[in-house]
Amino acid sequence: DGGITQSPKYLFRKEGQNVTLSCEQNLNHDAMYWYRQDPGQGLRLIYYSQIVNDFQKGDIAEGYSVSREKKESFPLTVTSAQKNPTAFYLCASSIGSNQETQYFGPGTRLLVL
Amino acid sequence: GNSVTQMEGPVTLSEEAFLTINCTYTATGYPSLFWYVQYPGEGLQLLLKATKADDKGSNKGFEATYRKETTSFHLEKGSVQVSDSAVYFCALSAVGGSNYKLTFGKGTLLTVNP
Repeated sequence: DGGITQSPKYLFRKEGQNVTLSCEQNLNHDAMYWYRQDPGQGLRLIYYSQIVNDFQKGDIAEGYSVSREKKESFPLTVTSAQKNPTAFYLCASSIGSNQETQYFGPGTRLLVL
Repeated sequence: GNSVTQMEGPVTLSEEAFLTINCTYTATGYPSLFWYVQYPGEGLQLLLKATKADDKGSNKGFEATYRKETTSFHLEKGSVQVSDSAVYFCALSAVGGSNYKLTFGKGTLLTVNP
């Protein structure tokens, strides 16, 4: 089955620690996105990538970093500079940068110990 | 900038009741409009979309019509089921630079009781 996978489902971070969230897609989509969801809030865009080896900051990029070394993978690192990391993180992809419909993975919930 | 405003929840209905979730938007140009649904603990699923004025999106008994004159995209269903209990997000897509960016409303929690 084609789709987007995110791992782990739950992730715990200690103070001062960097953690990396995985996002993989086998849809052959060019564009990939990371969103953050907080309770009672809509989704906010962290980073997006239109092609391999290229990515752009979204609305709330501070304290996060990404890479896009392969078309199917777009990992997100939550750095120690992100002071309020507890949230639900959603990865999405779309066929191309000029395509509007985005398809979402199941999400990773990040909690701070 | 672009924005989406949807009715605040939670919304609680009995099975077979009629559902309306209001959504209005502000955008420059001619955005596409979407409804996404999120079941507990899961990611978002595309429910329906409309790409131009007067288009009606429909799926699984849900409908929404793109109303440019009132900048609205209200979600409706004639008879809800318990399985429709979820959070519903209205969103718009407008060109930002060379990429389409989604702007989301805050979501409306729907609970359907048997």
